[in-house]
Amino acid sequence: DIQMTQSPSSLSASVGDRVTITCQASQDINNHLNWYQQKPGKAPKLLIYDAYNLETGVPSRFSGRGSGTDFTFSISSLQPEDFATYYCQQYDNLPFTFGPGTKVDFK
Amino acid sequence: QVQLHESGPGLVKPSQTLSLTCTVSGASISSGSYYWSWIRQPAGEGLEWIGRIYTTGSTNYNPSLRSRVTISLDTSKNQFSLKLSSVTAADTAVYYCAHGWGAFDIWGQGTMVTVSS
Repeated sequence: DIQMTQSPSSLSASVGDRVTITCQASQDINNHLNWYQQKPGKAPKLLIYDAYNLETGVPSRFSGRGSGTDFTFSISSLQPEDFATYYCQQYDNLPFTFGPGTKVDFK
Repeated sequence: QVQLHESGPGLVKPSQTLSLTCTVSGASISSGSYYWSWIRQPAGEGLEWIGRIYTTGSTNYNPSLRSRVTISLDTSKNQFSLKLSSVTAADTAVYYCAHGWGAFDIWGQGTMVTVSS
């Protein structure tokens, strides 16, 4: 299985801050990497697919980049509704695997 | 728009079989080129992909669960289902059904399943 790691595991930030999360795959996954947002008690929501493509309806403050094994996810200006846990997920190889998540909370 | 809804028992005894159904609305599971997956999440933990089924009925399973998992389609009811046999407390989790080939763009709301006697 491809192992996905994320850092940091958690971070504290304020509204308006720029936030960056990194995701690393244990092997080359090309750009087959997605990012999700999950709020407590809710299902994950797809934000970014294929490493950098914004899902329809997702605000442009969210962005992703990277290829191969190293990826980043950014929020350019954190909004109150962005406090959540973020997961990366690879689909280059079965089984699909997720990173352990990064919790973004209030500073 | 496509919507998914999970249903099934919230409590399953150890060693028994967990059975869940995902009802799809807004799309036919037997037409088009759709993949339907099951994903689970233990409380306070991360996400684990269980497996998927294609429109044709072909399946892929996570090797960690393959010996215990069956995913099937019921085209007459526009549903797909999950069966997980010989459950233990480690199978306690929120179970989600989801749509997507590589990216899961549509999710059900999730259903909590507890394995306990």
